[in-house]
Amino acid sequence: ILNVEQSPQSLHVQEGDSTNFTCSFPSSNFYALHWYRWETAKSPEALFVMTLNGDEKKKGRISATLNTKEGYSYLYIKGSQPEDSATYLCAFGWSNDYKLSFGAGTTVTVRA
Amino acid sequence: AAGVIQSPRHLIKEKRETATLKCYPIPRHDTVYWYQQGPGQDPQFLISFYEKMQSDKGSIPDRFSAQQFSDYHSELNMSSLELGDSALYFCASSSGPRTLHFGNGTRLTVT
Repeated sequence: ILNVEQSPQSLHVQEGDSTNFTCSFPSSNFYALHWYRWETAKSPEALFVMTLNGDEKKKGRISATLNTKEGYSYLYIKGSQPEDSATYLCAFGWSNDYKLSFGAGTTVTVRA
Repeated sequence: AAGVIQSPRHLIKEKRETATLKCYPIPRHDTVYWYQQGPGQDPQFLISFYEKMQSDKGSIPDRFSAQQFSDYHSELNMSSLELGDSALYFCASSSGPRTLHFGNGTRLTVT
């Protein structure tokens, strides 16, 4: 089992503020890093798949960066809105086997 | 396009009963993941299977077991159900380190 860690476990953000959180993963045998957005009682929504060191992806107010050499990815939410409240999961895919290891998620609560 | 199918959508059981949840992955997907999300809680990874073998194990109680069959569908068996097992159970499938596809979940209510 590969160790994928997300921090913080939860955070509260005031509406309009920006925030970011981290996914740490093993730096060896990297294949891909996924971010998912998971709202309560809904199916997780794929946000990004990143494969190259230095990748930056953006979707609306949400963006992500990737550093495969040091084994971390940041997810940024700019100008948080209440609809951004969700758990954000990252998942690490490694190259020697087609499996994914998930972090425990960061739960974001945006207060109006 | 075919999606991940979970059945049943809703299930109501009494304490100490047994429940079986089924997951049918997208065709040609060889990996299945099970997640549990309790009311107001973070999703918890339970277990995953790759090519019909258990590949990763999370916070799955000993009362639960799961397997992946030759047609790649997976079943999560839960015995001696407790009130705290009431949750939404998601499965997801993938065919490699690409985007996961999640089912719509099975809502289990234990009374």
